[in-house]
Amino acid sequence: GQQVMQIPQYQHVQEGEDFTTYCNSSTTLSNIQWYKQRPGGHPVFLIQLVKSGEVKKQKRLTFQFGEAKKNSSLHITATQTTDVGTYFCAGPIGAGSYQLTFGKGTKLSVIP
Amino acid sequence: ETGVTQTPRHLVMGMTNKKSLKCEQHLGHNAMYWYKQSAKKPLELMFVYSLEERVENNSVPSRFSPECPNSSHLFLHLHTLQPEDSALYLCASSQGAHSTDTQYFGPGTRLTVL
Repeated sequence: GQQVMQIPQYQHVQEGEDFTTYCNSSTTLSNIQWYKQRPGGHPVFLIQLVKSGEVKKQKRLTFQFGEAKKNSSLHITATQTTDVGTYFCAGPIGAGSYQLTFGKGTKLSVIP
Repeated sequence: ETGVTQTPRHLVMGMTNKKSLKCEQHLGHNAMYWYKQSAKKPLELMFVYSLEERVENNSVPSRFSPECPNSSHLFLHLHTLQPEDSALYLCASSQGAHSTDTQYFGPGTRLTVL
C-alpha cells in the first residue's frame, strides 16, 4: 500500500558532524510532521510543515518541505550525543485520509 | 511529560490469557489512538477514537478489542494473543482527529506474549 519512505534506515556519525534524513511519498501530502524517539522512550513531536517549499529551523535542526509536497528532510548541524534517537516523518496517506502514516524512521547514533 | 499515561508499563502474558492495557490523557484532547511498534516495522496505527467514537480500524485482528468510555480514557483488551503480537503498544492523543493535529504519545506498554 501507499507509504512514507525514509532513508537512511541507520546513520552513525562522529559528534560534530552533520546529519540528514529524507522522507519521500508517492503522493502529495497536505502536511508532514516530524517526531523523535529517544532509546527506550516514546515519539515526541518536533515540528509540522504545511506549505510548499517551507523551511523551519529549531536551533541546530532544519526542516524542509519539498516544492511538490512529496518529500521532506531533516538536517542536524554539528550533532551532539543528545541528538541520539530515531527520527520519524509522518503524513496523511491515501485518498481522503486524515490520519498520519509514519515512516520507518532513521536511527541516529552519535559517536563521542 | 505526564500528559498521556499508560499502564502497565510491562506485561508478560500467555496465549490463553486475557489482559487489558489502559491509557489516560490529561490534555483535554478529543482524539485517542492505539499504535503498535515492532522492531522491524514502522509505527502501525491500530485504532482511532474521536469524541469516543471509533473512526478508524486498520484491519486489526479481533483478538484486539478497543474501548473508549470517555474522551480521557482508552483501553485495549487482549485475548488469545500470538507470540508475534509481542511489541510496544503506544497510546496517543490529539486535540482533533486530523492529520494536522499534533499527537502526544504515552510511554507505551511493552508486551511479551509467551
